[in-house]
Amino acid sequence: SQELEQSPQSLIVQEGKNLTINCTSSKTLYGLYWYKQKYGEGLIFLMMLQKGGEEKSHEKITAKLDEKKQQSSLHITASQPSHAGIYLCGADNMFGGYQKVTFGTGTKLQVIP
Amino acid sequence: GAVVSQHPSWVICKSGTSVKIECRSLDFQATTMFWYRQFPKQSLMLMATSNEGSKATYEQGVEKDKFLINHASLTLSTLTVTSAHPEDSSFYICSARIGTPGGQFFGPGTRLTVL
Repeated sequence: SQELEQSPQSLIVQEGKNLTINCTSSKTLYGLYWYKQKYGEGLIFLMMLQKGGEEKSHEKITAKLDEKKQQSSLHITASQPSHAGIYLCGADNMFGGYQKVTFGTGTKLQVIP
Repeated sequence: GAVVSQHPSWVICKSGTSVKIECRSLDFQATTMFWYRQFPKQSLMLMATSNEGSKATYEQGVEKDKFLINHASLTLSTLTVTSAHPEDSSFYICSARIGTPGGQFFGPGTRLTVL
């Protein structure tokens, strides 16, 4: 199945600063999800990207999928403490006859006031 | 829309007992449901995929006799951890899919602690 690498693994930023998290796939991405998770809690859906070159924004978070559909980035503008958490990218795979999401390694974000 | 619920949200049990976790899609019928496991400070690992009325497909390394999955309807899947041991303690998250390509939505998770 698909291997997803996220970078950086962890990130500490000052409040108000911008940041970018990357997600790189070993195979072409047919669907790419971004989720946020607070430790010990469920996943919060952020965005789903499917087309090469696609870009979506929600509030101060923008996600892009490159033209080759093997890399996605998540950009947060003017970070706030509420942005802290673990960010996970997930790839849509077709495996064993089923379409399913498998996850990257995760990026832990801390925002310092 | 697209809400997935899990019950219970947390459970503590004694070693050797079995624990059942329910996953429901509240406002949609799910074509497929999934179970994931998450260890502290790690990402989610897919355990198994299930469709209503058929046997679950388990990922490599997941013991099917340990983690029993029943997909009773298009809105309900259950995961039973049989003869639980402390190493089974983890955060279990279910997910439900709408159509293909559709979207995949996640439940809030169940924290299992085995004493």
